[in-house]
Amino acid sequence: DSGVTQTPKHLITATGQRVTLRCSPRSGDLSVYWYQQSLDQGLQFLIQYYNGEERAKGNILERFSAQQFPDLHSELNLSSLELGDSALYFCASSVGSNRNQPQHFGDGTRLSIL
Amino acid sequence: GENVEQHPSTLSVQEGDSAVIKCTYSDSASNYFPWYKQELGKRPQLIIDIRSNVGEKKDQRIAVTLNKTAKHFSLHITETQPEDSAVYFCADPNFGNEKLTFGTGTRLTIIP
Repeated sequence: DSGVTQTPKHLITATGQRVTLRCSPRSGDLSVYWYQQSLDQGLQFLIQYYNGEERAKGNILERFSAQQFPDLHSELNLSSLELGDSALYFCASSVGSNRNQPQHFGDGTRLSIL
Repeated sequence: GENVEQHPSTLSVQEGDSAVIKCTYSDSASNYFPWYKQELGKRPQLIIDIRSNVGEKKDQRIAVTLNKTAKHFSLHITETQPEDSAVYFCADPNFGNEKLTFGTGTRLTIIP
């Protein structure tokens, strides 16, 4: 158990819809990272938050947005969903803002778009 | 998206033999080099990491070596076992500006 909690585990929805994925970091971790992993693909970095503020941005689509709340949990919002958005979405957390440190991953949310 | 160069993409090894996976990093200022293991359907897990002030780090059957001149770091697994079958990812903290970028992954299969 990494201590990072992601909900829901599975999500099935239709094209055009909007979903929210939730992540609670490990106790004491201030950074939250979001990654997308499509079938047989690598981990694509989407965005990082540190202590409530956006810290770094990757290849995140404009249809996607995220935020980190005062209690440090984070939500990733995906809107106007397309078939290609079907993927595993991982959240990871680390202690500080620096990327030169271990990241601890949650079990992921599997998103299926029908 | 951008990915860090990692080789090979697939590797099959007889149980008991050794496996080596190599990753090339981009910036000579990089100072942290992690390796993650992802079993099928599971989350990535950090298995070993190294900082640039050492050339090698070992943890039981797993080791990571760093070659700063050639700018690459390698994962070594000795006495491989079936449970080592997984996808292994390296990561470069300085690739592509301000983000930890993962390699393309190596699918390791241990043949019993």
